[in-house]
Amino acid sequence: NAGVMQNPRHLVRRRGQEARLRCSPMKGHSHVYWYRQLPEEGLKFMVYLQKENIIDESGMPKERFSAEFPKEGPSILRIQQVVRGDSAAYFCASSHSKGQLNTEAFFGQGTRLTVV
Amino acid sequence: AQKITQTQPGMFVQEKEAVTLDCTYDTSDQSYGLFWYKQPSSGEMIFLIYQGSYDEQNATEGRYSLNFQKARKSANLVISASQLGDSAMYFCAMREGIGGSQGNLIFGKGTKLSVKP
Repeated sequence: NAGVMQNPRHLVRRRGQEARLRCSPMKGHSHVYWYRQLPEEGLKFMVYLQKENIIDESGMPKERFSAEFPKEGPSILRIQQVVRGDSAAYFCASSHSKGQLNTEAFFGQGTRLTVV
Repeated sequence: AQKITQTQPGMFVQEKEAVTLDCTYDTSDQSYGLFWYKQPSSGEMIFLIYQGSYDEQNATEGRYSLNFQKARKSANLVISASQLGDSAMYFCAMREGIGGSQGNLIFGKGTKLSVKP
């Protein structure tokens, strides 16, 4: 039973390019959360999605960032016109239901984005 | 105000000894959940232990236990019989209940634990 799969593990982009980060949740999970981890920091919530719906994007920057979770295929976090400050580790987590208090969120291994 | 506070940026412990990692939290919800995650140098986030706000007993999972003091709003992680493989970053996190969370976790800044041989 594969866990949460994120790819790529490492991504290097030049300033101004687009970054696409993919997340395939665990089998049977329909809830996906994206988090960003800046160096020496904890994870910060960005967006919560269910299939074909954005439920909560309160942690997403208003510009350049978007996320989707289509009916088929992985969830995508897209960053347009990347800047150096976007360099971070981006984690995806999935759960089988809306985050009830004790629902464990299973994390992927993260994508480390470096903007040069 | 920070929701999750981890006051120890770094900790050292001798192998085979116990260590306590501190975590205090701030919430006005009556229902909430507290989590601890381990992040080794390889980067993945590994779930360790969970404590619900209504749980009367402290959670335990193998060598991990959670010292939950609700009145003080603290949820310290205790690792017994430390091993070299315990060297990692440790994050405390909270999921709020009715207070508006859609299930996302709020993380502290972490504590870097180093186990000395």
